[in-house]
Amino acid sequence: QSALTQPPSASGSPGQSVTISCTGTSSDVGGYNHVSWYQQHPGRAPKLMIYEVSKRPSGVPDRFSGSKSGNTASLTVSGLQAEDEADYYCCSYAGNNLIFGGGTKLTVL
Amino acid sequence: VQLVESGGGLVKPGGSLRLSCAASGFTFSNAWMSWVRQAPGKGLEWVGRIRTETQGGTADYAAPVKGRFTISRDDSKNTLYLQMNSLKSEDTAVYYCVTYDLGYFGFWGQGTLVTVSS
Repeated sequence: QSALTQPPSASGSPGQSVTISCTGTSSDVGGYNHVSWYQQHPGRAPKLMIYEVSKRPSGVPDRFSGSKSGNTASLTVSGLQAEDEADYYCCSYAGNNLIFGGGTKLTVL
Repeated sequence: VQLVESGGGLVKPGGSLRLSCAASGFTFSNAWMSWVRQAPGKGLEWVGRIRTETQGGTADYAAPVKGRFTISRDDSKNTLYLQMNSLKSEDTAVYYCVTYDLGYFGFWGQGTLVTVSS
């Protein structure tokens, strides 16, 4: 199965909101409510930010939110802060398989 | 939760390597576990996952590694393993040990680098 499709880059100024999309198919994103998002700073391990489409783990700021419509999931970061600058990856369950997106580099201008 | 990978290094194409992941801070025997890798400068790729022993202890694998890689666990040692055989240059990556739960990866280790090169 092919990787989920994410825009290579996204940007916003401090305080603004930015949304990153993640497009799959009815066999992955559209077929299950098991979409997750990960933040990765350079040289660091990824960190879970959103799971099951819209749930936030303990400790993740409520500035981060997730949603899904059809075959496309989205991650919205509100009130952008400098520390939000990182790579973001979506991931979807697809039967006996887990598929990641190609990643989006978020730049805080 | 702490996950500490070890065993990475340089190996020749066609060679083998076994990675280990020491887990602590949670009940390892109750946790599904997984391996995720990241080639240099590239994105994340799921490698495989293993169920708990009470759920059969069986594993699923991504297509690129199926038949070459084997995930196993030793609950008495709170340790997860990844046996990698017939290694190829495209297996060069940082390998992360991660907890797996209902389609997401909750906790990540710091990763161990595997380089396949002659």
